[in-house]
Amino acid sequence: DAGITQSPRHKVTETGTPVTLRCHQTENHRYMYWYRQDPGHGLRLIHYSYGVKDTDKGEVSDGYSVSRSKTEDFLLTLESATSSQTSVYFCAISGMAGGKEQFFGPGTRLTVL
Amino acid sequence: ELKVEQNPLFLSMQEGKNYTIYCNYSTTSDRLYWYRQDPGKSLESLFVLLSNGAVKQEGRLMASLDTKARLSTLHITAAVHDLSATYFCAVALVTGNQFYFGTGTSLTVIP
Repeated sequence: DAGITQSPRHKVTETGTPVTLRCHQTENHRYMYWYRQDPGHGLRLIHYSYGVKDTDKGEVSDGYSVSRSKTEDFLLTLESATSSQTSVYFCAISGMAGGKEQFFGPGTRLTVL
Repeated sequence: ELKVEQNPLFLSMQEGKNYTIYCNYSTTSDRLYWYRQDPGKSLESLFVLLSNGAVKQEGRLMASLDTKARLSTLHITAAVHDLSATYFCAVALVTGNQFYFGTGTSLTVIP
């Protein structure tokens, strides 16, 4: 299995508070992604990174920011959490070789009250 | 933006039967992926299809890709209960690094 960890795995927070989710990889893959998964929507891309300090927006980026200061870490920040951001968040990584297959982390379940 | 549609969204089938899940996408692509997700778990990669006419098989699952029709299929042969899960297809653009997912097909295999 690809070496991807996410922390925390579960979090409950209140509306208006900042939240940071961490994704850590040991595979030295170039690309890292943050998705959210909601019933009826599949997985939707929030932000992705194609290298250290290189990031781009996905289709549902409003209300989220990211940072990647090291190859192995990709942080997702909710500056001021809202109830609509209650979701399961998955990190994924992808290399340069072959078909750029994505490997997924275990997920973080976030509840915003 | 690339749109990916899967059907059916829900599938209940008896053990031993065959069925096909369809994945249609809206823009030219030659990279198609199938994933499996068990309840409360992460996504597990099943197949990577990288060219027109590609066919891959693993056990009772077979995936194919027709880039001209913008269609991929996941065929289930002689279903068993262990195949119960949600299956997602995902498409990546020919250029670029974004992946677009279908909404998933929830498969329940009934003994």
